[in-house]
Formats: sequence, structure tokens, C-alpha cells
Amino acid sequence: SQTIHQWPATLVQPVGSPLSLECTVEGTSNPNLYWYRQAAGRGLQLLFYSVGIGQISSEVPQNLSASRPQDRQFILSSKKLLLSDSGFYLCAWTGRGGGTYEQYFGPGTRLTVT
Amino acid sequence: AQSVAQPEDQVNVAEGNPLTVKCTYSVSGNPYLFWYVQYPNRGLQFLLKYITGDNLVKGSYGFEAEFNKSQTSFHLKKPSALVSDSALYFCAVRDSSGYSTLTFGKGTMLLVSP
Repeated sequence: SQTIHQWPATLVQPVGSPLSLECTVEGTSNPNLYWYRQAAGRGLQLLFYSVGIGQISSEVPQNLSASRPQDRQFILSSKKLLLSDSGFYLCAWTGRGGGTYEQYFGPGTRLTVT
Repeated sequence: AQSVAQPEDQVNVAEGNPLTVKCTYSVSGNPYLFWYVQYPNRGLQFLLKYITGDNLVKGSYGFEAEFNKSQTSFHLKKPSALVSDSALYFCAVRDSSGYSTLTFGKGTMLLVSP
């Protein structure tokens, strides 16, 4: 069966510090991968998605970036965090073809920028 | 562009009573629709999907959803609510971009009282 991992689970970082959040998927190959942010008001905002190694699409301009160095690894980064980057970050994956259209989410990372 | 509306911020229901969480959508082409549930500080869990076929879709934990093309709705239902059903529920529609990205509603908090 497939599983998706995210770490760290929680993170408190000062403004201006760098960020690296990691997401890995097990039990599948060549997945589509997604990064979302959920603010305190509950809505989900799609940040990035990737359909393959090195292929990243950005949905909104921001000081965040994403990379996919391996097939099942997706990293969210920032060089300098802003207060507005605080939130709950969720990684998700979906399979290719075969009628699988739903996304499966990881446990999330709670980021607080102080 | 596609969109999803969840008109209720919160739904309150007594345990044992039927529940309905409303969702309407707008999308060009055939709609692919999804429901997710989120418990506090957790990732989203997939409940059910409508791709094609029967308008009544059955999913996890006794939930079902009714697809209504003429009303562009996809309401989530359960015949008998449990206190443990209390959570945040999201409706989503698959984007037509071909990369399986999803557009989510803002979420509806379901509170089931004992």
C-alpha cells in the first residue's frame, strides 16, 4: 500500500530564516505531487505541483520554492521566511491513469514564523 | 475556471440524526468531484468521489454523496450522524488542466452533539 510522509511535524522559525520541508511517498512510482498551504481560516491554497523529476509548476507568486530531486521526494523551501508564511503545509500525491483521480494527503507540517 | 462553493460555514446536528453538507460546483466539461474530511491538526482524508455512473456514490465511514447535474450539486450525506463525525469537510473539483490539480471549497465544520 502507499504511504506519504512529511517532516517535520511542527516547526517554529524566526522571520528571515530559511525553510526546508520534506515529503516522500512510498509504494508507488511516478506520482503527481502537490504542496498546499492551509491558513488559520481553513481554506487550502495550492502552491506547487510536479508531474516528474525536476518539473515544478507554481500556482502563486511568493517567496517559496519547490524541488523534486527524486521521483518520490518533494521539497518545499524558502531562503527567508515571512510572518505570512505561517500555516499548515500539506503534501499530496495522486497516481497516473487507471482511474485514480483523488489525491492522498500527508499528515502535514505546522509552521509558525515568529 | 472551475469553482466550488460550500455555502455553510458550520452544520450542527444531533447524534443519530441524518446529516447533509452542501456543495455546488462550476466546471467546464464533465465534473470529477470529491469529498475529504479533516480532523484537527491532521491531513485530509479522502471520503468518496464521483467520476461517472450512478448519481449516488458511497464512500468511507458510512458517508454517501448525491450528484445532481441539473443543480450542479454534490451534497454529502449520512443517514445517522456520530459524535466522531465532527470534523471539517471539504468538497473539491478536479481542474481541467490535465494535471489532476483540485480546487477546494472553503470547508464546512460539522458538529455532532451527543
